Amino acid sequence: GAVVSQHPSRVICKSGTSVKIECRSLDFQATTMFWYRQFPKKSLMLMATSNEGSKATYEQGVEKDKFLINHASLTLSTLTVTSAHPEDSSFYICSASAPGGNTEAFFGQGTRLTVV
Amino acid sequence: AQSVTQLGSHVSVSEGALVLLRCNYSSSVPPYLFWYVQYPNQGLQLLLKYTSAATLVKGINGFEAEFKKSETSFHLTKPSAHMSDAAEYFCAVTPYNRLAFGKGNQVVVIP
Repeated sequence: GAVVSQHPSRVICKSGTSVKIECRSLDFQATTMFWYRQFPKKSLMLMATSNEGSKATYEQGVEKDKFLINHASLTLSTLTVTSAHPEDSSFYICSASAPGGNTEAFFGQGTRLTVV
Repeated sequence: AQSVTQLGSHVSVSEGALVLLRCNYSSSVPPYLFWYVQYPNQGLQLLLKYTSAATLVKGINGFEAEFKKSETSFHLTKPSAHMSDAAEYFCAVTPYNRLAFGKGNQVVVIP
């Protein structure tokens, strides 16, 4: 299957700083990427849908100014957690799909964010 | 809106015994359904998917699932559990790649 690379896999940052997470589709073009958040022992919660060349669509309850999403190219989407707080500590996962409806979504390896 | 329900957050199964994970879905359009597996601190790996073709779907690692429209179900099975099957399993439904996940089943395999 196709490969989606997410970086970094782990990051520890201080409260008040910003952290950028990258999601790359390595061998296909992804017009749409998705960002999920997973709390301990919980399911994945869709945060936002990232469309290349346009603004991201955020799910209800997700702060747009807190979680900045940029999808500048067909192979790269970034999630920036701004002014991070300990409650932002979580496992963040991206997924990407090739163009076309209902094709398989490929997932990145996830990023474990710890805010201290 | 689309949603899935997975009952029983923790499932214990003896090594060599049948693995059965239940998934019921709700969808306003013909669904595409997926089962994913997640190992600790890793992303999700696709086990199998239903995309309106054959109702009995075979996946990797000996898993299979059957789509039953009348029961709005997509239960996952494996005839004989291995120790390596210990992981978290998620059922998901989508139109257009925007996945809605169930709460997951943590599978524990007992030697």
